[in-house]
Amino acid sequence: GAVVSQHPSRVICKSGTSVKIECRSLDFQATTMFWYRQFPKQSLMLMATSNEGSKATYEQGVEKDKFLINHASLTLSTLTVTSAHPEDSSFYICSARGDSISNSPLHFGNGTRLTVT
Amino acid sequence: TQLLEQSPQFLSIQEGENLTVYCNSSSVFSSLQWYRQEPGEGPVLLVTVVTGGEVKKLKRLTFQFGDARKDSSLHITAAQPGDTGLYLCAGARFNDKVIFGPGTSLSVIP
Repeated sequence: GAVVSQHPSRVICKSGTSVKIECRSLDFQATTMFWYRQFPKQSLMLMATSNEGSKATYEQGVEKDKFLINHASLTLSTLTVTSAHPEDSSFYICSARGDSISNSPLHFGNGTRLTVT
Repeated sequence: TQLLEQSPQFLSIQEGENLTVYCNSSSVFSSLQWYRQEPGEGPVLLVTVVTGGEVKKLKRLTFQFGDARKDSSLHITAAQPGDTGLYLCAGARFNDKVIFGPGTSLSVIP
């Protein structure tokens, strides 16, 4: 089956620093990748949608200058949390879809636990 | 406003019991997917339902898509501790965006 690798799985950083999270589709080309944020025992909150070679589409309330998304290739998207603060601590998950059909399943990475101290 | 509602939000049952989780919306979806997520991991797809009235079975799990494609249910027969997790329904809309419900946290006690 389709595999999505997300790295790192855990990261602890100091307030004010930036953190980059990678999301790779290992055995398929991902035309679209999604980035989510999840708080404990809550659902996934869509942050942005990224398509290869174009600017990401951010959901309302998500600061695009704080959460930089780059979809450089059909197998890699990155999320950079800039000038991180403790309130940015969360579980970040990416997902990828191999085609543009909305019914196609999403393949999820295993998430990144970000802790900002 | 949640476009997708799930009920119950939390469920704790004994091993061997049956349960049903509901996913409801006032919107029509082109398809609906169910995922299960375990702590510290990403969600894993269980099933996709596309046709109104469709019923799909996956071992002890039965999924149903409402006739109007606005709601769905997940029924688990003889629940086992391995079924413990967060169950998420996700609706795919015609403009390509997938919307997740708030989730149902299931705990099956041995």
